Amino acid sequence: QVQLVESGGGVVQPGRSLRLSCAASGFTFSSYGMHWVRQAPGKGLEWVALISYDGRNAFHADSVKGRFTISRENSKNTLYLQMNSLRAEDTAVYYCAKSARYAYLTSDYWGQGTLVTVSS
Amino acid sequence: DIQMTQSPSSLSASVGDRVTITCRASQGIGNYLAWYQQKPGKVPQVLIYDASTLQSGVPSRFSGSGSGTDFTLTISSLQPEDVATYYCQKYDSAPSTFGPGTKVDIK
Repeated sequence: QVQLVESGGGVVQPGRSLRLSCAASGFTFSSYGMHWVRQAPGKGLEWVALISYDGRNAFHADSVKGRFTISRENSKNTLYLQMNSLRAEDTAVYYCAKSARYAYLTSDYWGQGTLVTVSS
Repeated sequence: DIQMTQSPSSLSASVGDRVTITCRASQGIGNYLAWYQQKPGKVPQVLIYDASTLQSGVPSRFSGSGSGTDFTLTISSLQPEDVATYYCQKYDSAPSTFGPGTKVDIK
């Protein structure tokens, strides 16, 4: 079955960097796009980024453009999110999600999430 | 970018009631809309995709309709396990924006 396990979250000071990872299993990772979605404490879902199956195309939300970069390593079945210049408003649970079999731009499986707290 | 709105933001209904949630896109998105359910403390799960297709394993009391800019999620007979926040998401083009959510609880 599909498994997505995020790691790399933690407490980080404003302006610093953090890299999240998502280990995928149970499906052919190199055949599917992958997403990052976040949820601030007590708030709604915010789509963050998407990368194509081969890593050639990536899209980022305006709120993170120029600061965050999505990437992937298909040989390791791993998705990444490099987060630079972190702000307090980036505090959230970050979920990785697999592109749906029926549509590249949405998701059908999500990981359990990893919490990122940006605080001095 | 296309904006997504939902109404109401919250509702309280009795077990067995019919519940309807509305999602509206600021521009037409065809039928490229999904509905997610997020139970308290849990990961979101997809209920419906392509506006009206029920995801495998989802109870048939859930249904979706609409196209273009106006969409609805209906729970035909509300059950205690349906207490959750429901989100719509557009996926016609990036960004794949979510609606702000509708919190459903039992009266």
